[in-house]
Amino acid sequence: EPEVTQTPSHQVTQMGQEVILRCVPISNHLYFYWYRQILGQKVEFLVSFYNNEISEKSEIFDDQFSVERPDGSNFTLKIRSTKLEDSAMYFCASGELRPYEQYFGPGTRLTVT
Amino acid sequence: ELKVEQNPLFLSMQEGKNYTIYCNYSTTSDRLYWYRQDPGKSLESLFVLLSNGAVKQEGRLMASLDTKARLSTLHITAAVHDLSATYFCAEETSGSRLTFGEGTQLTVNP
Repeated sequence: EPEVTQTPSHQVTQMGQEVILRCVPISNHLYFYWYRQILGQKVEFLVSFYNNEISEKSEIFDDQFSVERPDGSNFTLKIRSTKLEDSAMYFCASGELRPYEQYFGPGTRLTVT
Repeated sequence: ELKVEQNPLFLSMQEGKNYTIYCNYSTTSDRLYWYRQDPGKSLESLFVLLSNGAVKQEGRLMASLDTKARLSTLHITAAVHDLSATYFCAEETSGSRLTFGEGTQLTVNP
């Protein structure tokens, strides 16, 4: 069964460093998303992406964040200068069409020290 | 402000018992999702409810949606230990963003 994959599974970085989180969505999906979950808290929407552009972003998704689909398969989230409060689990999700369900990847745990 | 409220947030129940988790949401959306999350794991889609009055069942779980009351329920029938997990409801709003509730941590005791 097709699934969303994410790499790395765990990333440790120092405050101020740039990180890139990678996702490979399900191949025929058209809608792509990033969410994050701070430990013990609810899942929060960051950004949605369709037709090679951002369709919506939350207030969390400030200038430090960017997304890219550099080729036909990968979808990346870049954090330019990480802060301690960026420590969280980051989930990528993809969807075939709206309003169909979003399929979540296994997540990347980001630890900023 | 978009708000999705679940209750209870913590639920400890015995095997074989029934219980309902409630999810209230704030907008006029008619699309509501239920996900399951095991500790340290990702989100597994359980149900997609797309219209008022929608009811879906899978095994011991049944979900329903009342868009007029802005309420969805997840009913657990004859709980078993394997159902122990955190359950999230999520409302779909503009741009297909999902706004999640805080989650209900369910523990089923033998």
